[in-house]
Parts: sequence; structure tokens; C-alpha cells
Amino acid sequence: NAGVMQNPRHLVRRRGQEARLRCSPMKGHSHVYWYRQLPEEGLKFMVYLQKENIIDESGMPKERFSAEFPKEGPSILRIQQVVRGDSAAYFCASSPVPLGGVDTEAFFGQGTRLTVV
Amino acid sequence: DQQVKQNSPSLSVQEGRISILNCDYTNSMFDYFLWYKKYPAEGPTFLISISSIKDKNEDGRFTVFLNKSAKHLSLHIVPSQPGDSAVYFCATLKVNRDDKIIFGKGTRLHILP
Repeated sequence: NAGVMQNPRHLVRRRGQEARLRCSPMKGHSHVYWYRQLPEEGLKFMVYLQKENIIDESGMPKERFSAEFPKEGPSILRIQQVVRGDSAAYFCASSPVPLGGVDTEAFFGQGTRLTVV
Repeated sequence: DQQVKQNSPSLSVQEGRISILNCDYTNSMFDYFLWYKKYPAEGPTFLISISSIKDKNEDGRFTVFLNKSAKHLSLHIVPSQPGDSAVYFCATLKVNRDDKIIFGKGTRLHILP
């Protein structure tokens, strides 16, 4: 059972371009969480998705950022018109059920390091 | 508005000794508290968690203590080993439909030979 797969591992974009980050959750997991880690900072929650639904996007910047988790295929975090401040490591995590109760563990991918030049 | 605070950015401990990582939180409504470990260029991995109704949880060399009155938790690692050198994130979870894990900024632990 492969872990959470994120690609690409490294992504370089020029200012103004679009960045697409992909996350394939663990098999059987239908809950996906995206986090961003800026240099020397902790992981900041961005968005929580379930298949075809956005459950909580309270951490998403109001503009240029969007996320989806379609019925088929990976979850996509899309950043339009990237700026230097978007440079960060973006981590995706998945869980088989909503967190809490007997399951408090979310499994993380290795992250995508986005560099905007 | 930082709900989870790890006030020590780094900590150095001699191999074989006890490592104690501290964390403070502001919201009394959290249901679970978690610790994640992160190596460079890798994603965080889950270490141990504790329910808000307990005050201690132990798993091998790792023990988490929760002091609800002080809104404080700590992770004890004993004995510390070289492979424990990593960044440790304290995190919280409130269980409802919008549940999500909220992380602190992390503490970098160095295990000295």
C-alpha cells in the first residue's frame, strides 16, 4: 500500500505562471488536507477536502488559490499567477475517515517544494 | 492568532538522556493533542497522540503528558537516540465536521553524541 504521493517534488515557476500540485492519497482514503510550510514556520492548514467536496477552506488565500478532489484522480492544488511569496513547501495529508475518535492520524506525503523566480 | 505555541525553536540533548519538548495551547475545546516528527525533505510522520480526557499516554520511548489546567503538554523521549534528531511539531485536533489538525511552529531537536 503506497503512501501519500505528491508530485512534482520540486516545481519552479516564474512570477505570473500557474502552479499545479498533485496529491494522490493512500488507497482507501477519501479525506485530503493541504498544508503550506513557509521557511522557518510551522505547517499552516489550507484546505480540507472529501471526494468532490470542499469541507473547510478557511486557510486558503482568497485569491489565486483553488483546490479540488474529483471523484477520479488526484487532488489538485492550483495557484494562479504565482508570486515570490508563494514559494514554500506544500504538503498533502490523507485519512480514511474524518479525524478524531479512534483515528487521529493523518498520513503526509513528502511535499512539493515550490520556488517562484 | 497562534493557537498552538512551541516556544523553543531548538533543543540539544545528550544521547541517552531524556528529551522534553513543550507545547502550550490557547483553546480549551480541543479534543486531541498530537505530536509529529519531521526529517528534512520529508513529510511529517505521526508519533503519538493523547485524548483531552487523559493526562498521560505512553508508547515505547515516547510519553506525552497533558496538563489541562495549564493548557500545556509535553513530549518525553527516553532514552534519546541519534535518530530522534528531527523537528517535532505539536498539533491539536477538534472533532467536528470541519476537523483539521492545527500545528505549532516546531522544535528542532539535536541529539548530541
